[in-house]
Amino acid sequence: EDQVTQSPEALRLQEGESSSLNCSYTVSGLRGLFWYRQDPGKGPEFLFTLYSAGEEKEKERLKATLTKKESFLHITAPKPEDSATYLCAGSDTGRRALTFGSGTRLQVQP
Amino acid sequence: DGGITQSPKYLFRKEGQNVTLSCEQNLNHDAMYWYRQDPGQGLRLIYYSQIVNDFQKGDIAEGYSVSREKKESFPLTVTSAQKNPTAFYLCASSISARSSAETQYFGPGTRLLVL
Repeated sequence: EDQVTQSPEALRLQEGESSSLNCSYTVSGLRGLFWYRQDPGKGPEFLFTLYSAGEEKEKERLKATLTKKESFLHITAPKPEDSATYLCAGSDTGRRALTFGSGTRLQVQP
Repeated sequence: DGGITQSPKYLFRKEGQNVTLSCEQNLNHDAMYWYRQDPGQGLRLIYYSQIVNDFQKGDIAEGYSVSREKKESFPLTVTSAQKNPTAFYLCASSISARSSAETQYFGPGTRLLVL
């Protein structure tokens, strides 16, 4: 059974304090690993798709990386506006929908 | 401005009542999806549709029904058979469902509450 596990569940950082969020997956035949940002009461906002081990993508203070077993979302010098829940999801060759982790709630304090 | 709209933002259901959640997209996407989000849990797939007049059950389809009469629209009905409907419902779309690696884009969500 496909499974996506995110850690930590919650993370509190000071503004400027860099850190990483982890997403480990057991998805047979992984086709894509997706990262989304979700603000309270809103729909998820697409951030990145990673397709193969070794791939990296960046957007402003965020960088996503992928290995054969896990993905990391690195946040460099975060600002309070980066506070949100970050969701990770995997897709495999069989399903037409994504398998989501339960998310990491990030709070960045000024 | 292309995007996905969901209405209403909040919906209240009485016991024994069927309610319908609306999802419309103007992205010209072929595939559309419905997910349910509960606190502390990942999104779970209810139904998806790859083309007009075709749809498939997801992991938690019991107590729900859908239709896909137009490419732009994919309404979800929460029936009285769904005993625990309180949740945040999210509609998504992707260019196609030919590949599971297609990026899915989400609407703003509808929060359903039971009176």
